[in-house]
Amino acid sequence: DTGVSQNPRHKITKRGQNVTFRCDPISEHNRLYWYRQTLGQGPEFLTYFQNEAQLEKSRLLSDRFSAERPKGSFSTLEIQRTEQGDSAMYLCASSLSFSTNEKLFFGSGTQLSVL
Amino acid sequence: GDSVTQMEGPVTLSEEAFLTINCTYTATGYPSLFWYVQYPGEGLQLLLKATKADDKGSNKGFEATYRKETTSFHLEKGSVQVSDSAVYFCALTLLGGKLIFGQGTELSVKP
Repeated sequence: DTGVSQNPRHKITKRGQNVTFRCDPISEHNRLYWYRQTLGQGPEFLTYFQNEAQLEKSRLLSDRFSAERPKGSFSTLEIQRTEQGDSAMYLCASSLSFSTNEKLFFGSGTQLSVL
Repeated sequence: GDSVTQMEGPVTLSEEAFLTINCTYTATGYPSLFWYVQYPGEGLQLLLKATKADDKGSNKGFEATYRKETTSFHLEKGSVQVSDSAVYFCALTLLGGKLIFGQGTELSVKP
């Protein structure tokens, strides 16, 4: 169990640029989640995958955001035409099943700063 | 909608003091309830959970009881240590497994 890995750890970009983050979940986990966390707040749900299928997207996820999990393994989160309001920590989590009791394993996150 | 409300921080305690962090929830169904902890420089990790009314979750000396009648899941520890300094998040899940978090409570324990 190597844990959930997220890259890069930090990303600084200029407003209007596109950015892409990567998440590698724990290998046998079929559920993968993306969250966004701003300073002093709890993580907010963005989207999740069951294997390669994206099953739910939050209303927070505007058209500039897209997430993929092409082979049911790693996932990418892309933000197009970044805005200063996109500055946040982006967290990825994975779990083994879809049980409501299931423990989520979180990565350390990607800190995005939009200048 | 479904939501979680936690007491505001930061909470500052002396070592060996008693800790309570309040958490209440609003949910349309029957959620499972969790406490996650985020130590400085680390990712979120599960501290404890309870899946039905009157269940008590416990781990590392922390406890929380699922109270359906008061829609609460307060976190307690009898004697905190400096190493407990962290941010604590109360959360719930309904169908689908996605977590809904509270805003977090920062705990600072002084020697």
